[in-house]
Amino acid sequence: GDSVTQMEGPVTLSEEAFLTINCTYTATGYPSLFWYVQYPGEGLQLLLKATKADDKGSNKGFEATYRKETTSFHLEKGSVQVSDSAVYFCAPQLAGGTSYGKLTFGQGTILTVHP
Amino acid sequence: GAVVSQHPSRVICKSGTSVKIECRSLDFQATTMFWYRQFPKQSLMLMATSNEGSKATYEQGVEKDKFLINHASLTLSTLTVTSAHPEDSSFYICSASSENEQFFGPGTRLTVL
Repeated sequence: GDSVTQMEGPVTLSEEAFLTINCTYTATGYPSLFWYVQYPGEGLQLLLKATKADDKGSNKGFEATYRKETTSFHLEKGSVQVSDSAVYFCAPQLAGGTSYGKLTFGQGTILTVHP
Repeated sequence: GAVVSQHPSRVICKSGTSVKIECRSLDFQATTMFWYRQFPKQSLMLMATSNEGSKATYEQGVEKDKFLINHASLTLSTLTVTSAHPEDSSFYICSASSENEQFFGPGTRLTVL
């Protein structure tokens, strides 16, 4: 079945450090790929997405590239801020059949950024 | 645009009672809505997919008679937790689909005493 393996946390960084959160997936076909962020006490927000191979999604300084050959969608940011402290979820979205539109969430990675 | 609301945001109820949670898409129509459950410090678990005007599709292991889902209109889906027990305490999140993207509600914290 479809699954997502996401880098386990928690991840603790100092402000302005480089961030990488790994995400790999198994799925039939070519899913769209999403990263969601959940700030403390809030619901999920879309951070970025990529819908086909080699696409790069970017938002708020975060980037992730759709790597078909390695079935990966690693999240990166060159310089994190305290306000980036949150939980990050990788989520491929199935593209067709009876499971159309379903998101499969990774386990989430808690990021804490210290001043 | 693409705002999804949930009501209530928090609810505390006694064991054995039923609780209804509403999910609304405020500025778009959603033929498909999803209901998730999130345990503390854990990921989201899809409970069911709700399509307007038809029966919900439940994920394996989710009791459809316990978690009743109704999607009566293109902007409203409801989840009713029937005969709630303490183990049903959780964070319930809905999402509404538009143009192949899901927009999430802020979640409902259910506590069953």
